[in-house]
Amino acid sequence: AQSVAQPEDQVNVAEGNPLTVKCTYSVSGNPYLFWYVQYPNRGLQFLLKYITGDNLVKGSYGFEAEFNKSQTSFHLKKPSALVSDSALYFCAVPISSGSARQLTFGSGTQLTVLP
Amino acid sequence: DAGVIQSPRHEVTEMGQEVTLRCKPISGHNSLFWYRQTMMRGLELLIYFNNNVPIDDSGMPEDRFSAKMPNASFSTLKIQPSEPRDSAVYFCASSLTGIPEAFFGQGTRLTVV
Repeated sequence: AQSVAQPEDQVNVAEGNPLTVKCTYSVSGNPYLFWYVQYPNRGLQFLLKYITGDNLVKGSYGFEAEFNKSQTSFHLKKPSALVSDSALYFCAVPISSGSARQLTFGSGTQLTVLP
Repeated sequence: DAGVIQSPRHEVTEMGQEVTLRCKPISGHNSLFWYRQTMMRGLELLIYFNNNVPIDDSGMPEDRFSAKMPNASFSTLKIQPSEPRDSAVYFCASSLTGIPEAFFGQGTRLTVV
């Protein structure tokens, strides 16, 4: 079964410091992987995706994610965190191999950027 | 495009009442998803439609829940009768076949008292 795990419920980082939000995956075949962000009282917004190609994927708002096949990880990163990055972040993977229709989400990581 | 539009944004109802949540997907998208978000269970996929046809409703918790998509621009999620444990934020999302990412609405916060 396709799944993702987010080992950290909460990540705190000081403004201006680099941030990492962790995600590991368990999929059969070539993985499609996604990151979404949820701001308070809002829906989820798509940040970036990995389908194939370069292991470093760039997305919205200066975020990037690194696909690591040997470690089955897809960590979200940003070189310099902003207070406005504080939000709930979800990693996701399609449920059905070869299909990107049904996303299953990780449990979410609450990122707090401290001024 | 205005994105995925959900209504109402907030709904407070009494236990036993019928609740209908509405969703208008992004024009041209042919897949539609209903998710439920709670603190305890996180994000759960309830049902998804492709070309207005329900494909997988295995996530629908009980027979009290039903969803319809009468046309490409409208879907409803109905709970009858509602119970306090149905209190959650319900999200609708849409996507286009072949484009993996789904686009989410702002959600409906349902409170059943």
